[in-house]
Amino acid sequence: AQSVSQHNHHVILSEAASLELGCNYSYGGTVNLFWYVQYPGQHLQLLLKYFSGDPLVKGIKGFEAEFIKSKFSFNLRKPSVQWSDTAEYFCADSGGGRGYQKVTFGTGTKLQVIP
Amino acid sequence: DVKVTQSSRYLVKRTGEKVFLECVQDMDHENMFWYRQDPGLGLRLIYFSYDVKMKEKGDIPEGYSVSREKKERFSLILESASTNQTSMYLCASSRAGGQQPQHFGDGTRLSIL
Repeated sequence: AQSVSQHNHHVILSEAASLELGCNYSYGGTVNLFWYVQYPGQHLQLLLKYFSGDPLVKGIKGFEAEFIKSKFSFNLRKPSVQWSDTAEYFCADSGGGRGYQKVTFGTGTKLQVIP
Repeated sequence: DVKVTQSSRYLVKRTGEKVFLECVQDMDHENMFWYRQDPGLGLRLIYFSYDVKMKEKGDIPEGYSVSREKKERFSLILESASTNQTSMYLCASSRAGGQQPQHFGDGTRLSIL
């Protein structure tokens, strides 16, 4: 069965530190990978997505992610975090291009940025 | 902007009650989803629908049913609420296709007493 693993459950960083959140997916076929963010009290929103092409994808708010097929990984990065990046981050994989999609989410990583 | 509206932000019900959670989207999306979000478990898919009257079970469908009579509306039903169904419930919608991102509602925090 399709699965998505996020090994960091809770990350605490100081402002201006660099961020890397790990994500590993299990499905070896077509990949449709996403990172979503949930700011405190808000709904989940899309940060970035990857389907094909350049394995380094850029998203909103200075985030980027790198797809490494050989490692089944899609890690999220940001060179310098801000206090406003405090949120929960979810990696997801829909794993196919059918008319409907079953999306599998990871368990999430809570990021706390200390001013 | 896509708007996914969930009928209640907070809901308190009693064990054994039949509970209805409603979700409406305004972008003519084909797909709609219900998840529950629990600390440490992330989002788990309960049911999804890819067309009117069509539904498929997700990973944790037990104790739940769904209804999609109109394209814009997707209802989650707890047939006989139990305390282990206390959770945050999220509705989402998307266009057809695996590359389409999901758009989420604000969630309903449901407490079963």
